[in-house]
Amino acid sequence: EAGVAQSPRYKIIEKRQSVAFWCNPISGHATLYWYQQILGQGPKLLIQFQNNGVVDDSQLPKDRFSAERLKGVDSTLKIQPAKLEDSAVYLCASSLTSGGALSYNEQFFGPGTRLTVL
Amino acid sequence: GNSVTQMEGPVTLSEEAFLTINCTYTATGYPSLFWYVQYPGEGLQLLLKATKADDKGSNKGFEATYRKETTSFHLEKGSVQVSDSAVYFCALPLYNQGGKLIFGQGTELSVKP
Repeated sequence: EAGVAQSPRYKIIEKRQSVAFWCNPISGHATLYWYQQILGQGPKLLIQFQNNGVVDDSQLPKDRFSAERLKGVDSTLKIQPAKLEDSAVYLCASSLTSGGALSYNEQFFGPGTRLTVL
Repeated sequence: GNSVTQMEGPVTLSEEAFLTINCTYTATGYPSLFWYVQYPGEGLQLLLKATKADDKGSNKGFEATYRKETTSFHLEKGSVQVSDSAVYFCALPLYNQGGKLIFGQGTELSVKP
């Protein structure tokens, strides 16, 4: 079974530029998560989708970050304009669903996109 | 609020040494608890889990026991190998908030031959 795919793996941009990340979850997984992992910290949830609807975006800096999952499958996360403090690894994860039995809630993570803002 | 605190790293051990990585949590009720591992260049993988108090999760020689009286979920391994070098994260799932994970800050383990 293919895992969660993310691209690009690495991205270097200047501040005030824009950048987009792509995620393709495991086939059949209804729930998709984007986490931000700053160096030396644990991942922090930015946004969670259930199919193509947003479940939680309370920690997403909406003045510069946006995300979509139009067909309920793959997703893009965009930053515009980027700031120095956005340098981090952006992790995408998916799970079969976000409710029900514990085994359905296990989140599977992609390899992440490492963003460096100069 | 909900939070997870891990012992700070990095931790450097010799091969076959005993490993303990401390994790304590703050949460309402009795949540499940997870340990995730992140090998260099890879995504996070679920290492082990416990779903209720006094449960012991185990996998690949690692163990952790859910202690509600001390709100702890310390990770242990009796004899580490070079291949265990990775970053370890303790995590708390919030099932009443869509299943999102609250992570500790991570502990980097380096095992020397």
